[in-house]
Amino acid sequence: SQQGEEDPQALSIQEGENATMNCSYKTSINNLQWYRQNSGRGLVHLILIRSNEREKHSGRLRVTLDTSKKSSSLLITASRAADTASYFCATTDSWGKFQFGAGTQVVVTP
Amino acid sequence: DGGITQSPKYLFRKEGQNVTLSCEQNLNHDAMYWYRQDPGQGLRLIYYSQIVNDFQKGDIAEGYSVSREKKESFPLTVTSAQKNPTAFYLCASSISHGETQYFGPGTRLLVL
Repeated sequence: SQQGEEDPQALSIQEGENATMNCSYKTSINNLQWYRQNSGRGLVHLILIRSNEREKHSGRLRVTLDTSKKSSSLLITASRAADTASYFCATTDSWGKFQFGAGTQVVVTP
Repeated sequence: DGGITQSPKYLFRKEGQNVTLSCEQNLNHDAMYWYRQDPGQGLRLIYYSQIVNDFQKGDIAEGYSVSREKKESFPLTVTSAQKNPTAFYLCASSISHGETQYFGPGTRLLVL
């Protein structure tokens, strides 16, 4: 079973709108990371948040982490067509093991 | 895609044939990983290596084999025992196990 479960599975928005996706996980983690994948390409690392952090920002990205609820959210503000991609969360446990969720497909239309 | 290269971009396998996917990194990373991705799915870990001459099975190692003779190279062999090999294969590396992973561009394997 997958550690990270993203929600929603798919998201369609217009340019300029914000996109929010969530990730839930089951066991204790050391950190949680978000990656982007354009169709047919490798994954690109976006942001890492450690288990003792609650929020991080990077450009138009905002990530929150609630360890009591075992969940994280990724917010993309003022979305652009170039943000069209699949977004994955990945958790790392105390053994260093990565586990990826199934991803959220985001489509941004002009 | 950073300093990780994968080749070939597309690979075709015949029935009963073993094929090897290449993964090379020039990032001086100790850890390397192989993942399989099926359409619309997340990544599943096949094998990983924390250091040269050492590797461990991931969640779906059956039908695959790896070697780690050099720090910069981590080839994956898809053996004839893997009955459903059609997938997108991604290699990644990290400075050490558990740290941020950086991915190659992937190899798409198709069965003839």
